[in-house]
Amino acid sequence: RKEVEQDPGPFNVPEGATVAFNCTYSNSASQSFFWYRQDCRKEPKLLMSVYSSGNEDGRFTAQLNRASQYISLLIRDSKLSDSATYLCVVNSGSGGYNKLIFGAGTRLAVHP
Amino acid sequence: EAQVTQNPRYLITVTGKKLTVTCSQNMNHEYMSWYRQDPGLGLRQIYYSMNVEVTDKGDVPEGYKVSRKEKRNFPLILESPSPNQTSLYFCASRGRGTGELFFGEGSRLTVL
Repeated sequence: RKEVEQDPGPFNVPEGATVAFNCTYSNSASQSFFWYRQDCRKEPKLLMSVYSSGNEDGRFTAQLNRASQYISLLIRDSKLSDSATYLCVVNSGSGGYNKLIFGAGTRLAVHP
Repeated sequence: EAQVTQNPRYLITVTGKKLTVTCSQNMNHEYMSWYRQDPGLGLRQIYYSMNVEVTDKGDVPEGYKVSRKEKRNFPLILESPSPNQTSLYFCASRGRGTGELFFGEGSRLTVL
C-alpha cells in the first residue's frame, strides 16, 4: 500500500463548480500535511498547509481527519486557472520535514 | 529573485556515460533535496542534505550520488546511468522550521 494515496482523476468540472479531493495516508504518526499544485510540465508549488482545525485560503479549504487518516481539499467557484495537478504531501512521521511523502496527484480540468 | 536553478533542463544520454545535474539556490537554505517524478508514482525522494557535508538517503538512492560542499549547491551525480533512470528530476530547498519546499524547474533526463 502506498504511504499517500490520491484519486488520479481527472476531475472535469465546469467553471464555477465546487470540487473536492481526498487523500489518504498510512502513517498514523504523520504530523504535517500540505497541498501542492503542479501545472503541466512545471515544478510543484505550495498551495497551502493543512492544520488540525482546518483552514481556508480564499476559495480553497483544507481539512484534516486524523481518525480516518485523510486530508481533503475543497475548491469553490472553480476558475479555468485552477486546472492543474494537486499533490497531497505528508511528512513521514519520523523525519520532521526532512522526509515529505508526495502522492501521485489528482488532476483537475476546469472547462468553460 | 529567490530561486532554485537546475541544469541541464533537458538531457539525452546513453547507458553508462556519467552525468551530473547541478542545483543551486540563492535563499541561504540549509536543507536541499532531490526528487524524481515518474507517471503514477509521484515525486520520490532520492537524497537530501540538512547542511554542508551532511547528506542522507531518501527512498530511491540506488544509482545516484550527491555532494554538499557548499550551502548553495547540491549536485546529483549518475555514475553509470541506466534506462530506468529516465525520469523528470527536481531539486528543492527549504528554510529552517518550515515545510515549504521551493523547487527548481526540473531536469528531464532520457537514458538510451
